[in-house]
Amino acid sequence: ELKVEQNPLFLSMQEGKNYTIYCNYSTTSDRLYWYRQDPGKSLESLFVLLSNGAVKQEGRLMASLDTKARLSTLHITAAVHDLSATYFCAVMNYGGSQGNLIFGKGTKLSVKP
Amino acid sequence: NAGVTQTPKFQVLKTGQSMTLQCAQDMNHEYMSWYRQDPGMGLRLIHYSVGAGITDQGEVPNGYNVSRSTTEDFPLRLLSAAPSQTSVYFCASTAVGTGSTEAFFGQGTRLTVV
Repeated sequence: ELKVEQNPLFLSMQEGKNYTIYCNYSTTSDRLYWYRQDPGKSLESLFVLLSNGAVKQEGRLMASLDTKARLSTLHITAAVHDLSATYFCAVMNYGGSQGNLIFGKGTKLSVKP
Repeated sequence: NAGVTQTPKFQVLKTGQSMTLQCAQDMNHEYMSWYRQDPGMGLRLIHYSVGAGITDQGEVPNGYNVSRSTTEDFPLRLLSAAPSQTSVYFCASTAVGTGSTEAFFGQGTRLTVV
């Protein structure tokens, strides 16, 4: 059974600082997704990572994937208040519930001045 | 191309009432899913479908039914609503194995059972 663990679950940062969110998963998969969710809103796709060593960057966010370690990271550079949101990683399940995403519990990020 | 459309956006039910949450996609995706989101729990899979006529249970299926008569539609039925079903529900549509990698989500349905 595929399990996805995210940490930390809560993150309070100061503007201008750097930090990394970690996403570990338990079984083999070749697709990892990062989403952002603002309060009361749906999920906004940030990155889709498809292969070992994949790295994608958008603005102050950079995501990477190590399929051998079953680990993805979301790195935040020089945080700004607008990045405050909840971030989810999700892994494509090719096992029992094939074709579905299994989610981590999310990281609630708060960026303070 | 509307993507994934969910209705309604908000609903209040009394315990024991039934209702159907609607989900439609116009991307011709084979895979569709229903998730519920509760505080601190992430999104948990309720039911899913890998194509018209094929459905299966996810992690938290009790109290919910689904059917998939067409590729486009995947409704979720609450047979007898309970307060434990108070949650935000998301429908998702995914292309798997066709080269496309995106997973699209609807806008969500916020359900309160009193």
